[in-house]
Amino acid sequence: DIQMTQSPTSLSASIGDRVTITCRASQTISSYLNWYQQKPGKAPKLLIYAASTLQSGVPSRFSGSGSGTHFTLTISSLQPEDFATYYCQQSYTALTFGQGTRLEIK
Amino acid sequence: EVQLVESGGGLIQPGGSLRLACAASGFAVSTHYMTWVRQAPGKGLEWVSLIHSGGSTDYTDSVKGRFTISRDKTNNTLYLQMNSLRVEDTAVYYCARDLRVFGVVNWGQGTLVTVSS
Repeated sequence: DIQMTQSPTSLSASIGDRVTITCRASQTISSYLNWYQQKPGKAPKLLIYAASTLQSGVPSRFSGSGSGTHFTLTISSLQPEDFATYYCQQSYTALTFGQGTRLEIK
Repeated sequence: EVQLVESGGGLIQPGGSLRLACAASGFAVSTHYMTWVRQAPGKGLEWVSLIHSGGSTDYTDSVKGRFTISRDKTNNTLYLQMNSLRVEDTAVYYCARDLRVFGVVNWGQGTLVTVSS
């Protein structure tokens, strides 16, 4: 089974900051990597698919990069609505989620 | 408009069974990959099961032999039959449409399963 490891598990940042979250796969997954945002009590929302393609309607301050086993999600300038938990997910074989990164206001 | 509505959650004793249903509208369940994802209270997302468009199935190791994913073309509904339930199966269960490389775009609102004596 493919394991996904996110870092950090939690992050404190301020409005306007640039933040980066990392996700590593236990084996190569090409670009079969997606990123989600989840707010309390809500279903996850797809932000980026295929490692770097922005889902329709998602602000351009979100970006993704990587391939193989190393991937990143970057938020270029944090907005108040961005404080949430973020998950990576591989779709190379079945599905696996990373453990999540909780982004909090500093 | 694509919509997914789960039902069937509730309180069940350890060792019991529940069947979750996910009624879909706006697309055909039988022609898409469909998945169940769960989230234990205060924890992260955990993939549970996947049914391929062709009908083959996958399960996470912890539910193999206990859970069965299926679909009904007539009712356009996805199911998750859960047997031999354990306390650690307590979670909100989401059904979702998996577009594979294009991500899991559509999610239901979730249904809470509580396994407790």
